[in-house]
Amino acid sequence: LAKTTQPISMDSYEGQEVNITCSHNNIATNDYITWYQQFPSQGPRFIIQGYKTKVTNEVASLFIPADRKSSTLSLPRVSLSDTAVYYCLVGPNFGNEKLTFGTGTRLTIIP
Amino acid sequence: KAGVTQTPRYLIKTRGQQVTLSCSPISGHRSVSWYQQTPGQGLQFLFEYFSETQRNKGNFPGRFSGRQFSNSRSEMNVSTLELGDSALYLCASSSTDLPERAFFGQGTRLTVV
Repeated sequence: LAKTTQPISMDSYEGQEVNITCSHNNIATNDYITWYQQFPSQGPRFIIQGYKTKVTNEVASLFIPADRKSSTLSLPRVSLSDTAVYYCLVGPNFGNEKLTFGTGTRLTIIP
Repeated sequence: KAGVTQTPRYLIKTRGQQVTLSCSPISGHRSVSWYQQTPGQGLQFLFEYFSETQRNKGNFPGRFSGRQFSNSRSEMNVSTLELGDSALYLCASSSTDLPERAFFGQGTRLTVV
């Protein structure tokens, strides 16, 4: 499985757009990029998944450049409730099979 | 649909004892995975079951075991508990229709004293 590198922590003010970048230089051809969100003492929650270009859902957007060696999770107009740890995962599109979580990015939203 | 349910939510055990944790997946989901989360090691994969068979296993000692029943409910067992086993144990389930998305329960907080 491809190793991922994310910033350990980020701070942002309420109402701003937040972009969290994940580096995955060794991504394989059949790998997808998936982001999860985790609040304290809760299980991670799926946010978004993509393979290339741009994916958008009701929660976030995911931007993936042509070389796929990095990806950016974009959270529009964040609120205090977006304070959480965000994990970038890279692997085959098999979902529940041995998800490999890195250290994640601890996002703190400031009022 | 009800989400993934884990019981109990909190547990305190003494070193040397054994413990069994339970996970009820989302109805219709046949894949169940277990993870251990600690401040020092983060989220680590324990094992995954599909249709009562263990399909994948992480790098944990044999004291950690699991099983899955015909109704997809799963249990994990830890024998001869050590202080380092104190952690949040998370269960996740997924369906064959949407395999790329895992749904996690709220976890069982195990404290070994």
